Amino acid sequence: AQKITQTQPGMFVQEKEAVTLDCTYDTSDPSYGLFWYKQPSSGEMIFLIYQGSYDQQNATEGRYSLNFQKARKSANLVISASQLGDSAMYFCAMREGWNTDKLIFGTGTRLQVFP
Amino acid sequence: EAQVTQNPRYLITVTGKKLTVTCSQNMNHEYMSWYRQDPGLGLRQIYYSMNVEVTDKGDVPEGYKVSRKEKRNFPLILESPSPNQTSLYFCASRLTSGTGPYGYTFGSGTRLTVV
Repeated sequence: AQKITQTQPGMFVQEKEAVTLDCTYDTSDPSYGLFWYKQPSSGEMIFLIYQGSYDQQNATEGRYSLNFQKARKSANLVISASQLGDSAMYFCAMREGWNTDKLIFGTGTRLQVFP
Repeated sequence: EAQVTQNPRYLITVTGKKLTVTCSQNMNHEYMSWYRQDPGLGLRQIYYSMNVEVTDKGDVPEGYKVSRKEKRNFPLILESPSPNQTSLYFCASRLTSGTGPYGYTFGSGTRLTVV
C-alpha cells in the first residue's frame, strides 16, 4: 500500500492566487514527521516545511502553510499568493517513528503558475 | 557557503565497472542519506546514516553500498552497476537537534547512466 499519496499529477494556478497541493499518508506509528519539498526545473531539491505528528499547530513558513488534519491523515501544502517562481514539482514525504531517518516520498505534483 | 557537494554531476559508465559517487557536507549535520529519482516514482531512499559508522537500509538498497567513516562524508558505491541503476542520485544531510528546520539539505544531484 502507498504510504504517501499525491493524487494530483498536475495543477494550474494563476499568479497571486492561493493553491492547495494534496498529500495523504498512511501510518500506524503515533510518532512521525511530514515534509514538503520543491524541485524547480533546474533539478535541485528545496526543503519547504515540516510538521511533526505531535505539533499542536499547523506549520507555516512565509507563504507556505501545512494544513495538517491528523484524523484524515492529510498534510496538504497551501501556497498563498502564488508567484511565477513557484512553478515546480512538489513532493510530500513522511518519516515514521523518531529513532529512524527512513523517509518515504510521494510521486509529486507539478504546479504551473500562469500570469 | 553551507552546502552538500556531490561528485561527479554526470557519469556514464559500463555495466559491471565499480564506481563511487562522493558526498560531503560542511554543516556538521548528523544525518545523511542517499536517494534515487526516477520518472513517475518520486524519490526513493537507498541508505541513510544517523551517525558515524551507523548506516541503515532505505527502500531500495540492493546493488548499493555506503560507508560513514567521518561525519562529513557519505560515499555511495556501486560495486557492479547495471542498466537499471541508471537514475538521478541525490545525497542529503540534516540537523537533528535544536530548533530546526529539520528538513534535508540536498546536493545538486548526480545523473548516472549505465550502458
